[in-house]
Amino acid sequence: GQNIDQPTEMTATEGAIVQINCTYQTSGFNGLFWYQQHAGEAPTFLSYNVLDGLEEKGRFSSFLSRSKGYSYLLLKELQMKDSASYLCAVLTGGGNKLTFGTGTQLKVEL
Amino acid sequence: GAVVSQHPSWVICKSGTSVKIECRSLDFQATTMFWYRQFPKQSLMLMATSNEGSKATYEQGVEKDKFLINHASLTLSTLTVTSAHPEDSSFYICSARDVAGEREQYFGPGTRLTVT
Repeated sequence: GQNIDQPTEMTATEGAIVQINCTYQTSGFNGLFWYQQHAGEAPTFLSYNVLDGLEEKGRFSSFLSRSKGYSYLLLKELQMKDSASYLCAVLTGGGNKLTFGTGTQLKVEL
Repeated sequence: GAVVSQHPSWVICKSGTSVKIECRSLDFQATTMFWYRQFPKQSLMLMATSNEGSKATYEQGVEKDKFLINHASLTLSTLTVTSAHPEDSSFYICSARDVAGEREQYFGPGTRLTVT
C-alpha cells in the first residue's frame, strides 16, 4: 500500500522560515510533488523532485532523499498569505497515479 | 497556459437525483484526466483515472456504477454522481495531464457538491 505522512498542523511567525516534512512508503516512485491549497480551492503546484537534492524556486525550496523516503518543503520569509494547507504527493504507477499525503495546515502569525 | 475548468463550481441537489460535473482543459489536450474527492479537513483521494476514448480505471472502493466517468474528447471529461446521497457531499476536483506526457497534473478549481 501507499503511506505518506506529514504533520497535521504547524504555526510560524511572519518573516520566519518553516520546514514541512513528508515521509513516504510507496510501491514505486516516479517523483514527488508539493502543492499549496487554500480552503475551498484547488491545489496549486509548488515543486517537483525526482532526483535527490534540493530544488530552489524563489521563497520555496524542496528537498528529496529517495533512499530515506523523505522530502521537505522549506518556506522562507513567510507572509500571511502563506497560511494554507501544504500537500505532499508521490507519483507512482509508472507516472500515472498521484497519491496525496494527509496535508499540513500552516498558520502564519504576526 | 495549462488551465483546467470545472462546471459547476457548486451544486446542491436532492437525495436520489444525479449530478454531472464537467472538467475541461482549456488550452491543451489531455489524454488523461483524474477525478479526486476531498472531504473537509482531509487530503485529496483519487477516485478514478480517465483516458480519452476508453473506460475509466477506478480506485479500490469507488463504485463505478455510482460514479460514471466519460472522457469523450481530449479536452472534456465528465463525472456523473448517480442516485446521490448526503454522504456523497464533498469537494470534487479534476486534474488533467498534457498529451506531451509531462508529469505534472493541472488541477481544476473544484466543484462543491451538497446533497440534501
